[in-house]
Amino acid sequence: QSALTQPASVSGSPGQSITISCTGTSSDVGSYDLVSWYQQHPGKAPKVMIYGVSKRPSGVSNRFSGSKSGNTASLTISGLQAEDEADYYCCSYAGGSTLVFGGGTKLTVL
Amino acid sequence: QVQLQESGPGLVKPSQTLSLTCTVSGGSISSVGYYWSWIRQHPGKGLEWIGYIYHSGSTYYNPSLKSRVIISVDRSENRFSLRLSSVTAADTAVYYCARLESSGWREVYFDYWGQGSLVTVSS
Repeated sequence: QSALTQPASVSGSPGQSITISCTGTSSDVGSYDLVSWYQQHPGKAPKVMIYGVSKRPSGVSNRFSGSKSGNTASLTISGLQAEDEADYYCCSYAGGSTLVFGGGTKLTVL
Repeated sequence: QVQLQESGPGLVKPSQTLSLTCTVSGGSISSVGYYWSWIRQHPGKGLEWIGYIYHSGSTYYNPSLKSRVIISVDRSENRFSLRLSSVTAADTAVYYCARLESSGWREVYFDYWGQGSLVTVSS
């Protein structure tokens, strides 16, 4: 069970849109629409931003959206704001009642 | 509002067993459709799923840690626990407890998290 692959860092200017990819295999991301995304600010616990590939929990801004194609899931943040600067992690069901996280992506708002 | 709170020693000696407890408030650990989970984060690194337990006692573990992990539940105290044996410095991490929403495995995501507990393995 290997970690999902995410870019180490992405950046964007306020108001722009960015996309973070999360690449797995046909055994995890590719087989299940059970990908979730988490935002983590320094020293804080993660917070779910997207679940079920593209669903937003109540209270999460509609600037956050998710999608999936094949073995790769993506998180898009539109209208970047300074408060979006954080680490982002994807997580997928991997079969056999197991879960796997991505390595994390540091988002910098320039 | 569900709240989770980790508790346990912040320092463990190498080769000993790490023990943490997560106390749940604002909701019942016996609620249907939720799994109670442990996740860790090595300093400056990413998240690693350790395992989870259902209120019935059914457990599921990360294959890479399975031989050293035991997760248990105490329904009467509304809490669950983690034991990780034969620890080394590589087990130094922030340990989070979290609730996994499963909705019959139609949805799978962590909706509530504890604040995290730093455990350092050192002599």
